[in-house]
Amino acid sequence: GQSLEQPSEVTAVEGAIVQINCTYQTSGFYGLSWYQQHDGGAPTFLSYNALDGLEETGRFSSFLSRSDSYGYLLLQELQMKDSASYFCAVRDSDSGAGSYQLTFGKGTKLSVIP
Amino acid sequence: DGGITQSPKYLFRKEGQNVTLSCEQNLNHDAMYWYRQDPGQGLRLIYYSQIVNDFQKGDIAEGYSVSREKKESFPLTVTSAQKNPTAFYLCASSKGMDSYEQYFGPGTRLTVT
Repeated sequence: GQSLEQPSEVTAVEGAIVQINCTYQTSGFYGLSWYQQHDGGAPTFLSYNALDGLEETGRFSSFLSRSDSYGYLLLQELQMKDSASYFCAVRDSDSGAGSYQLTFGKGTKLSVIP
Repeated sequence: DGGITQSPKYLFRKEGQNVTLSCEQNLNHDAMYWYRQDPGQGLRLIYYSQIVNDFQKGDIAEGYSVSREKKESFPLTVTSAQKNPTAFYLCASSKGMDSYEQYFGPGTRLTVT
C-alpha cells in the first residue's frame, strides 16, 4: 500500500519562508501533488512534480526527489491568507482503484503569525 | 463560470436513514470522485467514475453507493450500513483518470445523530 508522512502543524511568521516536507512509500510512482485547503473549504491544486527538481509558481515552489521518495512545498513571502492546511498526494498505480489514483497525506496545518 | 457544485452545504440526518449527496460539474470532465474527510485527516477515496455508466470502488466504499447516469452528475448515497457516516464529503472531477489535477466542490458536511 501507500503511505505519506508530513508534519501535522507548522507555524511561521508573516513575510518569512516555510518548507513543508512530505515523504512517501509507494510503488509505481507517477508524481507528487500539493493541495491547499482553508478551514471548511475545498482543496485547491497548487503544483505537481513528476520529475526530480524544483517547480516554481509565484511564491510557491515544489521539489521532488524520486530516489529519496521525498518532496517539499516551499512558501515564500508568507501572507496571513496562506494560513491553511497543505496536503501532499501521490499519484501512483499501486492501488486497487487502478492507475493514477491520488492518495493524500493527512495534511500540514500552517499558521502564519504577525 | 465552470465549476463543481455540491448541495447542500450542511446536512443533518437521523441514524438509520439513507441520504443522498448531490454533485454536479459543468467542466465537461470525464472523471469524477467522492472523498471523505475526517477531522485532522487526509482525503480518502470512496468511489470514482471514469466515464458515464461506469464507477469503481475506492478505498472505503462500504456503506456507500453511487450512480453516473449523466456526465455532469455523480450523486453519492450514504446508506444506513455506513457505521460512522458523520464527516465532510468532497466531490471532485478531472479531465480524465490520467489527469493529475483534480477540481473540488465546496463539500457537504453530513451530521448523523
